[in-house]
Parts: sequence; structure tokens; C-alpha cells
Amino acid sequence: NAGVMQNPRHLVRRRGQEARLRCSPMKGHSHVYWYRQLPEEGLKFMVYLQKENIIDESGMPKERFSAEFPKEGPSILRIQQVVRGDSAAYFCASSPPGTGAQPQHFGDGTRLSIL
Amino acid sequence: QQQVKQSPQSLIVQKGGISIINCAYENTAFDYFPWYQQFPGKGPALLIAIRPDVSEKKEGRFTISFNKSAKQFSLHIMDSQPGDSATYFCAANDYKLSFGAGTTVTVRA
Repeated sequence: NAGVMQNPRHLVRRRGQEARLRCSPMKGHSHVYWYRQLPEEGLKFMVYLQKENIIDESGMPKERFSAEFPKEGPSILRIQQVVRGDSAAYFCASSPPGTGAQPQHFGDGTRLSIL
Repeated sequence: QQQVKQSPQSLIVQKGGISIINCAYENTAFDYFPWYQQFPGKGPALLIAIRPDVSEKKEGRFTISFNKSAKQFSLHIMDSQPGDSATYFCAANDYKLSFGAGTTVTVRA
């Protein structure tokens, strides 16, 4: 029973390149969340998605960042024209459907380094 | 602004001792309060969680105490072991998680 799978685990990009981070939720989970963890800081919410819908993207920078969770396949967090400040660990979490807040389970993250 | 305030930032405890981490929140819309444990290079792992209609929940050596009127909750780790050395995050959920800043716990053998 696989948990939340994220890949790649480590990603190195040069300034100006694009970064694509993938997340496959736990089996049976239809809700996906992305969080960012800067060095020596806690986790900050970025975006909440359900299949084919963005529910809340209030934590995502308005420019260069986008997220999707297609009907088939993993959720993708895309960062265009990366800058040094994008260096961070990006975590995906998933939760089952249900009324009220549901437990969120995290993957091991993608560590993004910008040269 | 930080919606969940967590303290202390770090603590050191002897093996067999009790670790206590405190959190406070403001938003009364939060309806689920989980604690996560994170080891270096890994993702946060759900440790234990509580809903606001319960004042205490215990799972093994881990206990959450919840005070709804004070809008505070805490994690107690009993009989602390070296393997408990990790960073602990409290969080509050109103469908998305708001995290505390984290507490680094070091258990000395």
C-alpha cells in the first residue's frame, strides 16, 4: 500500500529554467495539497487541488507557479523561469474525500536547488 | 502572519524524560489539530491528531492535550527515547494545514 510518491527527490535547475515536480497521491485519495518548506522554516501551504480542479491557490505566488491534477496521472507543480529564491523542499500531501478536515499524509518531498 | 504559534523552538531531554511542546491558534474555524514528526531528508509523518470536541487523546507514549477555550494544545512525549529525536510540527486544519514553526527535540541517551 504505497504512500504519497513524489519525484524527483532532488532537482537541480539553473536560473531561468523550468522545474516540474510530480506527486502521486495515496490510493483512494482524491485531494492533493502542495506545501513549501524553506530552510529553517516551517511548511507553508501553496495550493489545494481535486481531480481537474484547483480549489484554493491562495498560497501560490501569482507569477511563474502553476499546479494541476489531471483526470489521469499525477499532480504537477510547475515553476517557470526559476530564481534562487525558489530553492526549497516542496512537499505534496493527499487526503481522502470526506466531510470536514481529513488527515493529510505527506510524501518525502522534492528538494529543488537553483544554481 | 503565523496562524499557529509553537514553542519552544528546541528542547533537550534525557532518555526516559518527558518532552512537552505547546501550540496556540487564533482561528476558530480550525476543526482538526494534527502533530507531525519529521526526520532530516524525509517528509512530515502524521503522529497523532485531535478534534476540538475532545480534551485529550493518547496513543502509546504520545498524548495531545487540547484546551478549546484557551485555543491551545500541546504534545507530551512520555519516556522519551533517542529515536524520538526529530522536529515536531503542530498544525491546525480548516481543510488546508497551517503549521507551527517546529520544535527540534534532542533526546540524550
